[in-house]
Amino acid sequence: GQQVMQIPQYQHVQEGEDFTTYCNSSTTLSNIQWYKQRPGGHPVFLIQLVKSGEVKKQKRLTFQFGEAKKNSSLHITATQTTDVGTYFCAGDQGAQKLVFGQGTRLTINP
Amino acid sequence: GAGVSQSPSNKVTEKGKDVELRCDPISGHTALYWYRQSLGQGLEFLIYFQGNSAPDKSGLPSDRFSAERTGGSVSTLTIQRTQQEDSAVYLCASSPYGRARSPLHFGNGTRLTVT
Repeated sequence: GQQVMQIPQYQHVQEGEDFTTYCNSSTTLSNIQWYKQRPGGHPVFLIQLVKSGEVKKQKRLTFQFGEAKKNSSLHITATQTTDVGTYFCAGDQGAQKLVFGQGTRLTINP
Repeated sequence: GAGVSQSPSNKVTEKGKDVELRCDPISGHTALYWYRQSLGQGLEFLIYFQGNSAPDKSGLPSDRFSAERTGGSVSTLTIQRTQQEDSAVYLCASSPYGRARSPLHFGNGTRLTVT
């Protein structure tokens, strides 16, 4: 079945360092979504990418969708303690369900 | 406006008992999803509803799990003869459109503990 792999599983950084998480699908995705889950909270939608090669920015966050629409990345510049949480990608293969990656848990040393 | 509401927020049950989890989606959202999240793990897809029908039940772990949605609104997830491995947070999400092309709005989840 469809799989969405996400790496790394964990990332610990010093505050101010950059952070990147990568998402890879075994099949072509029609779109990809990114969510953030704070500790003890529920996933919250961040962004959706639809077009091949698309790049979107939200302040210090940069999201990319690969040319083949099989991979995506989220990059955070100069992390802050408020960035702590688990970041999930979720892909839609056109199967009417979103398949989530395993998530990357980001912890930050202030 | 109100978000996705799930009840109960916590449920402790004995092994072998049945449990029913409820989800109230955002008004007007046609699509509804159930996911399961074990401690520190990702989100495991369980079932998806478009209106009252469930075109995709592929994620239900066993025949002890069932779900229904009535009136295009409230959904219940029922687990019969609960087992310890059923312990997890059960998350419900709704979205305005189907086909997984609109953002999911999650509820706070039901934390199920089977003793």
